[in-house]
Amino acid sequence: AQSVTQPDIHITVSEGASLELRCNYSYGATPYLFWYVQSPGQGLQLLLKYFSGDTLVQGIKGFEAEFKRSQSSFNLRKPSVHWSDAAEYFCAGITLNDYKLSFGAGTTVTVRA
Amino acid sequence: NAGVTQTPKFRVLKTGQSMTLLCAQDMNHEYMYWYRQDPGMGLRLIHYSVGEGTTAKGEVPDGYNVSRLKKQNFLLGLESAAPSQTSVYFCASSYTDVQGALIGVHEQFFGPGTRLTVL
Repeated sequence: AQSVTQPDIHITVSEGASLELRCNYSYGATPYLFWYVQSPGQGLQLLLKYFSGDTLVQGIKGFEAEFKRSQSSFNLRKPSVHWSDAAEYFCAGITLNDYKLSFGAGTTVTVRA
Repeated sequence: NAGVTQTPKFRVLKTGQSMTLLCAQDMNHEYMYWYRQDPGMGLRLIHYSVGEGTTAKGEVPDGYNVSRLKKQNFLLGLESAAPSQTSVYFCASSYTDVQGALIGVHEQFFGPGTRLTVL
């Protein structure tokens, strides 16, 4: 079955430290991949997306993600986190001719001072 | 551009009552979706629509009905609310393009959510 998996339910990171969130996908063909962020009480906001081409994609708020076909991964990174990055992060994927995104279960990020 | 809007933002119902959640988008998107989000369960697709006048079931359609009479609106109805339907509901829309013989569905734009409590 086509799916997206986020292995980490919760990550705690110190402010100013780097952050990496893992996402693995399982698709027969190269999927479109997305990272969304959800702040408490808010809707989901798109951070970045990968369709094709360059495997390192830049997003908003200083985030980037790297598509690695050999590892079936699309990990999200930020070099230096800010307290405002505390949120839940969702990885999602879809292939051509599919109608529905598959979402990972989400990773909650806590930022400590 | 308002993007995706949802009405209402909050609602409290008693068991057995009915209500309709309205989703509107002004981006001329073809595809629209209704999700529910519950703690520890992520986002689950209730129903979706690939165009005006069409709807389809998602993962958890039971107890809900939808209609897409106009391209910009997607309504979610609860005919007889149950406590198990207490949740946060999100609407989303998406645009598409054609790649050869295939349709590519791009990122989804989400509304701010409706927090529903059923007592």
